[in-house]
Amino acid sequence: EAQVTQNPRYLITVTGKKLTVTCSQNMNHEYMSWYRQDPGLGLRQIYYSMNVEVTDKGDVPEGYKVSRKEKRNFPLILESPSPNQTSLYFCASSTTSGVDTQYFGPGTRLTVL
Amino acid sequence: AQSVSQHNHHVILSEAASLELGCNYSYGGTVNLFWYVQYPGQHLQLLLKYFSGDPLVKGIKGFEAEFIKSKFSFNLRKPSVQWSDTAEYFCAVNEIRAGNMLTFGGGTRLMVKP
Repeated sequence: EAQVTQNPRYLITVTGKKLTVTCSQNMNHEYMSWYRQDPGLGLRQIYYSMNVEVTDKGDVPEGYKVSRKEKRNFPLILESPSPNQTSLYFCASSTTSGVDTQYFGPGTRLTVL
Repeated sequence: AQSVSQHNHHVILSEAASLELGCNYSYGGTVNLFWYVQYPGQHLQLLLKYFSGDPLVKGIKGFEAEFIKSKFSFNLRKPSVQWSDTAEYFCAVNEIRAGNMLTFGGGTRLMVKP
């Protein structure tokens, strides 16, 4: 089944404790992206990647890192999480190297205490 | 910076009522436009998109949207809503010259009363 998977789905952590949220797609998509969703603000793009080893900042990259060593994986790294990073995070992928229909993962709800 | 506005944050309609959700964006370059829907407990999924051609775009489940370049708008419409359309709707815009960023609006939460 074609899908985007994220792990973990739920995470509660404490300020400053490094964490990684994994994202994997099995559709051979080139474009992958991370978003955070906050009430009233919609989805805001954190980082995106047009292909392996190519990543770019979105609207809200501060406090986040990404890597794209393999086409199928695009992990999101929070080196030192803070409470303002408490949010619902979505990974998405797209068929082309540009912006087209995004296929979204199920979301990861992160709480930073 | 790119910005996308959805002025209606919450909309409540009765079944069979007509729907129009507004979406405006802030830049005049060539754009690709999208509407996504998030049903309760489900993934976001694409309703429809506009890249070029006929500015009236038809999507899934009877939804359509019209791109009006002069008004920087891409409003979503449905002539007769159903209870199952209860969801959150997001407009998204990619300004071509800005590269490959995708900017979403704040979302509109639609509740359809049976």
